[in-house]
Amino acid sequence: DTEVTQTPKHLVMGMTNKKSLKCEQHMGHRAMYWYKQKAKKPPELMFVYSYEKLSINESVPSRFSPECPNSSLLNLHLHALQPEDSALYLCASSRGQGGTGELFFGEGSRLTVL
Amino acid sequence: GIQVEQSPPDLILQEGANSTLRCNFSDSVNNLQWFHQNPWGQLINLFYIPSGTKQNGRLSATTVATERYSLLYISSSQTTDSGVYFCAVERGGPGAGSYQLTFGKGTKLSVIP
Repeated sequence: DTEVTQTPKHLVMGMTNKKSLKCEQHMGHRAMYWYKQKAKKPPELMFVYSYEKLSINESVPSRFSPECPNSSLLNLHLHALQPEDSALYLCASSRGQGGTGELFFGEGSRLTVL
Repeated sequence: GIQVEQSPPDLILQEGANSTLRCNFSDSVNNLQWFHQNPWGQLINLFYIPSGTKQNGRLSATTVATERYSLLYISSSQTTDSGVYFCAVERGGPGAGSYQLTFGKGTKLSVIP
């Protein structure tokens, strides 16, 4: 079983909806990540939080809004998405000491935008 | 940025066969990981191996950092080994510690009974 938990596992939303993806880890890690993965492609980094501060935003559109309420939780708020945003969204965590280190992924949230 | 090339892109094996997957990278690294993505999309951490050799059951990995490549060995393959294997690296040296892993395009493995 993965120690990084993501909910929901599947989400279908319209372009006018607001929804959130949630991620939780209890490994004491201090870095948490959101990745986006399209079919038959490798994961692409979206955001990195290090010690609860946003340290990397890979030029992600503002319709994706990350939030790190505490060291164990990471949210991704979704608003006014486009059909091309349909993808697998992966949360990950690592110790976060001077670089990525060993990265652990959750099972992913598969998003479909209609 | 650092380039990561994986080979072969696709591999079909009979159950019980052995295989070697390769990952070449273009610069010095302080982080190299192998992941297996199962058909349901979960990315499973196989090895954290910036250098040296590790073994875990039927799987083993070797990274030769000075020659900028890593190998993943799968022995006595099983149908549950099917999926995509990704190599991911993080650049070492000046600017290291960027929290930015670069993934290769993956090797898609199909193990048939």
